[in-house]
Amino acid sequence: GAGVSQSPRYKVAKRGQDVALRCDPISGHVSLFWYQQALGQGPEFLTYFQNEAQLDKSGLPSDRFFAERPEGSVSTLKIQRTQQEDSAVYLCASSLSMGTQYFGPGTRLLVL
Amino acid sequence: AQKVTQAQTEISVVEKEDVTLDCVYETRDTTYYLFWYKQPPSGELVFLIRRNSFDEQNEISGRYSWNFQKSTSSFNFTITASQVVDSAVYFCALSGFTGTASKLTFGTGTRLQVTL
Repeated sequence: GAGVSQSPRYKVAKRGQDVALRCDPISGHVSLFWYQQALGQGPEFLTYFQNEAQLDKSGLPSDRFFAERPEGSVSTLKIQRTQQEDSAVYLCASSLSMGTQYFGPGTRLLVL
Repeated sequence: AQKVTQAQTEISVVEKEDVTLDCVYETRDTTYYLFWYKQPPSGELVFLIRRNSFDEQNEISGRYSWNFQKSTSSFNFTITASQVVDSAVYFCALSGFTGTASKLTFGTGTRLQVTL
């Protein structure tokens, strides 16, 4: 069966550009999480969806970060007016309601 | 607040040596999960194990074993007879049981280098 997929795998953006990162969770997984992983660090929580409802966005670093999951499946993380400090790997994970989170390969974002 | 500490930043061993990765956690929750994930150079986080706070029984899976001790808030991971393919960054993580509490809190990771 297919795992979590993310696209693009790599993204280079000029400072000030908007970017959109896509996550396709495992089919049937109701929970979806976004994490940010800076170089040499552990992943840090950004936001959580249960189906289409965004139940926790406490980890989003600023109002430039926005996430959606309109039909309870695919999710998009959007970063507006990117800054150099946004450079990181963005990881998406999905799980059943009380299950283990399975991660995608991540999107490596570099802001120049 | 939850916290996970992996004090070992990097460990180097020679193939066939045993190695233990330490993990200490802090939580005020009485029910929680503990995890280990492996991150090889490709970057994808690979799930290894999940234990719940009710079950302190140690677990063995092939060359891997885990020691959960609630009294010391530790969840250590041992690789027996290490192999080069074990080279990766290993993360310990903690979460609550349901809903928004199920978000993962990760440690900073331990980089394991296994050489011939």
